[in-house]
Amino acid sequence: DQQVKQNSPSLSVQEGRISILNCDYTNSMFDYFLWYKKYPAEGPTFLISISSIKDKNEDGRFTVFLNKSAKHLSLHIVPSQPGDSAVYFCAASDNNAGNMLTFGGGTRLMVKP
Amino acid sequence: DGGITQSPKYLFRKEGQNVTLSCEQNLNHDAMYWYRQDPGQGLRLIYYSQIVNDFQKGDIAEGYSVSREKKESFPLTVTSAQKNPTAFYLCASSIPRNRETQYFGPGTRLLVL
Repeated sequence: DQQVKQNSPSLSVQEGRISILNCDYTNSMFDYFLWYKKYPAEGPTFLISISSIKDKNEDGRFTVFLNKSAKHLSLHIVPSQPGDSAVYFCAASDNNAGNMLTFGGGTRLMVKP
Repeated sequence: DGGITQSPKYLFRKEGQNVTLSCEQNLNHDAMYWYRQDPGQGLRLIYYSQIVNDFQKGDIAEGYSVSREKKESFPLTVTSAQKNPTAFYLCASSIPRNRETQYFGPGTRLLVL
């Protein structure tokens, strides 16, 4: 039973436009969420995070939105650049589970020049 | 500079053979993790260790073993009991406190001959 789901396996966006990557979760105990970016044959790198006490966190071109009632979060990238092409993983943690992360299946973003 | 190294980058396993994947970190992190990634899927936790000489099973520990004799090192052995070992293996480390980011190594791809 997947507790963190990324229902879109891939997304294609034109350079300069907005990319929106979505993530849904089922475990109401999750209270901290992260996005990681992964290039092929490399390890994931941390991108941005958000605590459940917030509904938005922004870092440069990247913004994460959290809708707790819908158990949904999204990552917005504006403007999208070809270098953003990668697989993006959503992850969640539960305060009672230490620093353990539960990952979604990933969304492959392709930004076309 | 600090980071996580994994070796080798590619590893081939023969049927019935045990193989060991190396993970070393110089970030002075107490916690270390092993994940497995299969094509089109997210990261699944194999084993984790919050402190030296202690480790716990993750979601898919069967067929794997680990040791944590030194803070810097967390090797993973893929035993012959693991019937489907072909995957991309990722090691991570973090400070073992809630909300601390996990940092990932570059990964090892294991293939079965």
